[in-house]
Amino acid sequence: NAGVTQTPKFQVLKTGQSMTLQCAQDMNHEYMSWYRQDPGMGLRLIHYSVGAGITDQGEVPNGYNVSRSTTEDFPLRLLSAAPSQTSVYFCASKPVGQGNIQYFGAGTRLSVL
Amino acid sequence: DQQVKQNSPSLSVQEGRISILNCDYTNSMFDYFLWYKKYPAEGPTFLISISSIKDKNEDGRFTVFLNKSAKHLSLHIVPSQPGDSAVYFCAARGTQGGSEKLVFGKGTKLTVNP
Repeated sequence: NAGVTQTPKFQVLKTGQSMTLQCAQDMNHEYMSWYRQDPGMGLRLIHYSVGAGITDQGEVPNGYNVSRSTTEDFPLRLLSAAPSQTSVYFCASKPVGQGNIQYFGAGTRLSVL
Repeated sequence: DQQVKQNSPSLSVQEGRISILNCDYTNSMFDYFLWYKKYPAEGPTFLISISSIKDKNEDGRFTVFLNKSAKHLSLHIVPSQPGDSAVYFCAARGTQGGSEKLVFGKGTKLTVNP
């Protein structure tokens, strides 16, 4: 059971470039979310989804887009990367209405130059 | 406005002693609290949780205490082991706009010295 898988693990971008951070889970969880972790800031919610076709904004959504076409996948898109988006990104999932524990992926470390 | 606060960025204890990590929150509507543990280059992993209707939950060496009137919770690790060295995040579950969300504190880095 792979759990939550994030790719890539590391990425370096130039300002203005676009990219997609991939997240996949094999636990059939309806709820998926994206967080960013910055030094001294903890984890902050970017976007989340309670099921296929349903997404919503979190605490820091600006500069990021998401879509949820399947239960398994929840990609995070940076349309025009900025140095302020240099961070470690974590994807998480949990079943809706059952329990409160979110399961996290290993993270993607992104540097925007 | 930070709703979940971990005021100690770091904590150092000796192996075998008790580690106490603290967390304060401001939103009285939070109904569930969790502690996550994070090693470098890994994602956070769930450690222990407590419902707002309880004041204590214990799991082996780990105990979480909740004081609702003070809006304070703490994680006790007894006895502490070097493998417990990690960053610990406190998180609180709330509902906004009909959707539940977790709000995290900034984390406390625990170092257990042999």
